[in-house]
Amino acid sequence: GAVVSQHPSRVICKSGTSVKIECRSLDFQATTMFWYRQFPKQSLMLMATSNEGSKATYEQGVEKDKFLINHASLTLSTLTVTSAHPEDSSFYICSATRTGGNGYEQYFGPGTRLTVT
Amino acid sequence: AQSVTQPDIHITVSEGASLELRCNYSYGATPYLFWYVQSPGQGLQLLLKYFSGDTLVQGIKGFEAEFKRSQSSFNLRKPSVHWSDAAEYFCAVGADDYKLSFGAGTTVTVRA
Repeated sequence: GAVVSQHPSRVICKSGTSVKIECRSLDFQATTMFWYRQFPKQSLMLMATSNEGSKATYEQGVEKDKFLINHASLTLSTLTVTSAHPEDSSFYICSATRTGGNGYEQYFGPGTRLTVT
Repeated sequence: AQSVTQPDIHITVSEGASLELRCNYSYGATPYLFWYVQSPGQGLQLLLKYFSGDTLVQGIKGFEAEFKRSQSSFNLRKPSVHWSDAAEYFCAVGADDYKLSFGAGTTVTVRA
């Protein structure tokens, strides 16, 4: 099956510091990955589309200078939360797109719990 | 733009009973439809998908879903639930650019 990993699973950082979250597709190549944010007992909110070899595309209302995305290879995308503040505390989930003869599938990582103190 | 409605916020079902979760979508073209399950504090696991072909789709863990174009629905069913099926279920519609739009989710509680 398709496996997507995220690292770290949990991180606590101080306000004003930056945090990097990695998303890896372990057994397939993904030209397109996505980053989501999920608040407690809510659905997933799409933050941005990460395309290998090109700039990320951000959804309306998401600050691109605050949430830096880099998709350096076909198996790795990173999300860096810069100058983190307590309101950035959330559950961040990535997904990787696997394409094939019958459409495509999104495989999700296990998520990263970010707490900013 | 596509959108998804999951009318039921919370469903409680007895172990061994059948389960049906409703999903209605809005999309201008032929939809790509998905059902995912999320356990607390975890990522999402793909249960099944529909792109074309047979409108009754079989998935993992004994789940199935039926695409009904006339009703813009993609309801998820399981004939007999297990306590381990307690989780959050999300229906999603996908576009040609691979973006998914998720419903608000349905929480399933299984009672003994």
